[in-house]
Amino acid sequence: QVQLQESGPGLVKPSETLSLTCTVSGGSINTYYWSWIRQPPGKGLEWIGFIYFNGGTNYNPSLKGRVTISVDTSNNQFTLRVSSVTPADTAVYYCAREGRPYDSSGWFDPWGQGALVTVSS
Amino acid sequence: QSALTQPASVSGSPGQSITISCTGTSSDVGGYNYVSWYQQHPGKAPKLMIYDVSNRPLGVSNRFSGSKSGSTASLTISGLRTEDEADYYCCSHTSSSTRIFGGGTKLTVL
Repeated sequence: QVQLQESGPGLVKPSETLSLTCTVSGGSINTYYWSWIRQPPGKGLEWIGFIYFNGGTNYNPSLKGRVTISVDTSNNQFTLRVSSVTPADTAVYYCAREGRPYDSSGWFDPWGQGALVTVSS
Repeated sequence: QSALTQPASVSGSPGQSITISCTGTSSDVGGYNYVSWYQQHPGKAPKLMIYDVSNRPLGVSNRFSGSKSGSTASLTISGLRTEDEADYYCCSHTSSSTRIFGGGTKLTVL
């Protein structure tokens, strides 16, 4: 079965760029939409954005252009970048697969285990 | 985009039924049959419980059911068990093809 694993630095300085990679195993990244979701400590879930296997993207407008998601189909990975981070970007970041093949109906299964990223000097 | 509206907390006794509401607008919950629900235990990743308003993934107990009326979706858990105690989140597709979550509901099983 498909498994997802987030990887990247756990500590990022303010004003720098946060970068996380999600590696997909047990299945192909092709034909699906792939999302990033975050959860600040003690708070709720926030959808960040998705990428389709062909490179198409859509982002949460509240993140005001600071987010970029890219895909590497040859390595079955997709990457999140958040620029100009502040302490408010401190959160557990999850990657997740969306719905059915070729479908963008927006339900998430499976999820990665999550990666805590702390923004602090 | 503002979060979908969920009650902050609900509670029930073992064996009882509870319902968690999720209210949006015609641009999200009311406009599409693309509402999903997630269960999250402390320190764990969310788990999909309901998709497309009322469908259960394989392996999810039939004690969990979903429905929608207008711009409000609902998750009902029947025959409450102590292991159901968790946070629950709804999520909807939107007219901008983005996704929006609810603020989350803490379920306490007394």
